[in-house]
Amino acid sequence: KAGVTQTPRYLIKTRGQQVTLSCSPISGHRSVSWYQQTPGQGLQFLFEYFSETQRNKGNFPGRFSGRQFSNSRSEMNVSTLELGDSALYLCASSLGAGGLDEQFFGPGTRLTVL
Amino acid sequence: GDSVTQMEGPVTLSEEAFLTINCTYTATGYPSLFWYVQYPGEGLQLLLKATKADDKGSNKGFEATYRKETTSFHLEKGSVQVSDSAVYFCALRVGGSSGGSYIPTFGRGTSLIVHP
Repeated sequence: KAGVTQTPRYLIKTRGQQVTLSCSPISGHRSVSWYQQTPGQGLQFLFEYFSETQRNKGNFPGRFSGRQFSNSRSEMNVSTLELGDSALYLCASSLGAGGLDEQFFGPGTRLTVL
Repeated sequence: GDSVTQMEGPVTLSEEAFLTINCTYTATGYPSLFWYVQYPGEGLQLLLKATKADDKGSNKGFEATYRKETTSFHLEKGSVQVSDSAVYFCALRVGGSSGGSYIPTFGRGTSLIVHP
C-alpha cells in the first residue's frame, strides 16, 4: 500500500510570490491535515480537510489556504510569501476526520523563501 | 491554550544506555497523549499513545505512562540502539475522535543521537 506522497519535495521561492503544495493521501483515506514545521515554532497544525470540507483550522493568517478534491488529494496554497514561511510542510492522511493516532504522515515539502 | 513542553536536545547516548525524554503538558480538558518519531528525511510516525490516566503506551521497547497528577508523559527505553537516532515529538489532542473537532498540539521535538 503506497504511503502519503507530497510534491514537490523541495521548493525555492522569493518573497511576495505564491506557492502551491500537493498531497496525495493513502488510498481510501478521506481526511488530509497540513502542518508547518520550523526550528523556532516546532510543529504547528494548519488545517484539516475531510470530504472536500475544511473541518479544523489552526492559528495561521489567511494567506494560508487549502482545498481538497473529490479524490481526496489536497493542495495547500500560500500567497504573498514571507521569509518566515520557510519551513517543512507536512501532510497527514487518515480514514476519517480522526485524531493523531489515526494519521499517517508524508515526508514533507521543504519550502525556502529568499 | 494547550501546550506541550519537551526537554531540549540533542540527547546523546551510547548504545545500550537508558533513555528518558521528559514531556509535560497543559490542556483544557482531558487529552490523549502521543509520542511520534521522525527519522531523517521521513515523515512522523506514531510511536505510542495513551488515552487516559495511568495508561502505559508501549512499542518497540519504548514506554510512556500517562501521569495526570504530574501532567507528564515521559518517554523511556531501557537499552537504546543506533537505529533509534531520530527526533521524538510529544503531542496531545483534546476533543472527540472521528467527526469531532480538535486541534493537535506538538512539543518542539527532542533529537536523540545514539553512538555505537
